[in-house]
Amino acid sequence: DGGITQSPKYLFRKEGQNVTLSCEQNLNHDAMYWYRQDPGQGLRLIYYSQIVNDFQKGDIAEGYSVSREKKESFPLTVTSAQKNPTAFYLCASEWGEGTDTQYFGPGTRLTVL
Amino acid sequence: AQSVTQLDSHVSVSEGTPVLLRCNYSSSYSPSLFWYVQHPNKGLQLLLKYTSAATLVKGINGFEAEFKKSETSFHLTKPSAHMSDEAEYFCVVSANTGNQFYFGTGTSLTVIP
Repeated sequence: DGGITQSPKYLFRKEGQNVTLSCEQNLNHDAMYWYRQDPGQGLRLIYYSQIVNDFQKGDIAEGYSVSREKKESFPLTVTSAQKNPTAFYLCASEWGEGTDTQYFGPGTRLTVL
Repeated sequence: AQSVTQLDSHVSVSEGTPVLLRCNYSSSYSPSLFWYVQHPNKGLQLLLKYTSAATLVKGINGFEAEFKKSETSFHLTKPSAHMSDEAEYFCVVSANTGNQFYFGTGTSLTVIP
C-alpha cells in the first residue's frame, strides 16, 4: 500500500525531554511537510523539505528541528525549547511544489506531562 | 499574500438536508484551492481541488465546490448530508509560486439525525 505513516499515534513526554516523531512515505514524493494543529485553529507549518538534505523553516519553527537524510523519511524533533509542545502533529508529502496535492499522514498526538 | 477565511466555525444540518460550508480566499496569484476533511484524531483527507480548469469541481462522497473569482469564494456543498459527514472541514489555498499551503481555521460539521 502506498501512503504516509506516522508513529507513534500517541506520545507522552515529560517536561525538559526531547522527543522525535517519525514520518515515512513510499509515494516517491520529493516534498515533505510538518504541521502543528491546535484546537480551533488551522494547521500551522513547522518545517518543510523540497529535496533530500535540504529543509526550510515554516511559520513556527522555534523549538523544533528536522532532518531529511532519505527521500522517504522526514523526522521531527520537538526539543525542550518548545514552550507549549502539546498538540496534534501532522506530516504531509507532495509530488512537487506548487499546485500539487499534499497527502497527509494519520497524525501523532503529543502530550507533555 | 495568500489567506483563507472560513466564515463559519460550526455548521449544523439535519440528515438528508443540504450542506453549505463557506470559504473566501485572498491570493496575489491565480490560486489552487482545496477542501480537506478531518475525522476525529485522524489525518486530513482530500475532498476536492481546483487548479484553473472547470470552475465547478466534483469531489468524493458527493461533495462539490464552485470557484467564483469575482466573489473570491470556494464554497463546499453537498445535496444531502449523511451522519458519516460529521467532521472538521478545511479550506486551503496554494499560491502556485511555491509549495506552501495556507489553511483556514476549519468548520466543524454536525449532522442531526
